[in-house]
Amino acid sequence: GQSLEQPSEVTAVEGAIVQINCTYQTSGFYGLSWYQQHDGGAPTFLSYNALDGLEETGRFSSFLSRSDSYGYLLLQELQMKDSASYFCAVRVSGGYQKVTFGTGTKLQVIP
Amino acid sequence: KAGVTQTPRYLIKTRGQQVTLSCSPISGHRSVSWYQQTPGQGLQFLFEYFSETQRNKGNFPGRFSGRQFSNSRSEMNVSTLELGDSALYLCASSLVGDTAREQFFGPGTRLTVL
Repeated sequence: GQSLEQPSEVTAVEGAIVQINCTYQTSGFYGLSWYQQHDGGAPTFLSYNALDGLEETGRFSSFLSRSDSYGYLLLQELQMKDSASYFCAVRVSGGYQKVTFGTGTKLQVIP
Repeated sequence: KAGVTQTPRYLIKTRGQQVTLSCSPISGHRSVSWYQQTPGQGLQFLFEYFSETQRNKGNFPGRFSGRQFSNSRSEMNVSTLELGDSALYLCASSLVGDTAREQFFGPGTRLTVL
């Protein structure tokens, strides 16, 4: 089976930088995705890494190290609206593409 | 382009009853996945449908079932409801061949079992 580990909660100051880590154990790994979910809302896609390295999308960046089975989401210039839960999700093989989500990291941005 | 829609948004049922939830994917998306979300458990994968065929299934009992229609709309059914089935049920659609890279989620159906 697959398993993912993320910190349950992170608190950071507005304007700062925060990193949310995700470690995974899986077979047939294809890639790692990140989703954001505000309270009461639906998850929305942020980024996807299939290869080692950093992917940047505006204030958000995502990193993957396949050899370490590890990735992270980096949020820069934090804004109050970034307060949300962040989920990593692994894409694995097995006949057809499958997805397993982590339990999520609740980010609280404080003034 | 309209997003993923789910109906109903809220549902209250009692133990032993059954329930059917509906999901309309984004136009052109043929893959629909269902997830159960509960506090502290994250998103648990239920099943995925593509072209009216279930091609992936998560680790849930047989009380949970689903289907997909020729227009890609999908339904999931839960029979003999239990208190533990209270959760937010999310539907997500994606383009062909891109299921696990980027999924577009609907607002969810909040199911409460009393």
